[in-house]
Amino acid sequence: GENVEQHPSTLSVQEGDSAVIKCTYSDSASNYFPWYKQELGKGPQLIIDIRSNVGEKKDQRIAVTLNKTAKHFSLHITETQPEDSAVYFCAATLKAAGNKLTFGGGTRVLVKP
Amino acid sequence: DTGVSQDPRHKITKRGQNVTFRCDPISEHNRLYWYRQTLGQGPEFLTYFQNEAQLEKSRLLSDRFSAERPKGSFSTLEIQRTEQGDSAMYLCASSLVNRPAFFGQGTRLTVV
Repeated sequence: GENVEQHPSTLSVQEGDSAVIKCTYSDSASNYFPWYKQELGKGPQLIIDIRSNVGEKKDQRIAVTLNKTAKHFSLHITETQPEDSAVYFCAATLKAAGNKLTFGGGTRVLVKP
Repeated sequence: DTGVSQDPRHKITKRGQNVTFRCDPISEHNRLYWYRQTLGQGPEFLTYFQNEAQLEKSRLLSDRFSAERPKGSFSTLEIQRTEQGDSAMYLCASSLVNRPAFFGQGTRLTVV
């Protein structure tokens, strides 16, 4: 089955700096890659996603890039703010597998004011 | 609020007891997923439904676990004879076919 590795496990940045989280996946047939933000005691919240036919997608301060050849994708957060502090999860899924998500281990991001 | 709703938010139970959790998906969503999340880990897939049909179950879902979605709307997840290893956050998500999944706030289970 699919396996998703996520790095780093923790990331501390100064407010205003950029944060980058990287994920690799094992199944070359995976075709949809969402990112979720999870705050303490809450469920994961979808923040951005990308499909395999697209190399990059941007939404305000958040962008995701996908390299299908290398089987890796990354989340970029620019101009970080204290409210960006949370745990971020990448995931991969395959349409033919019912879109069930395989998650990475998570990255705890701390934005220091 | 028209998001995914889970009940209860927290459940403390004694080992050996049965527990049941409920999930109400976003109303027009025909897919419903259950995941389990332990502390410091990403969610792990348990099972999913399309309408009322349970289409896949993970090997994580032992015989003590059962899930239903009787009318293709809300779903229940029951754990029989709970064990301490069942302590986790149980997450429900819903989606349309081949569309993004949205998660509820989860039910945190503590088995003592």
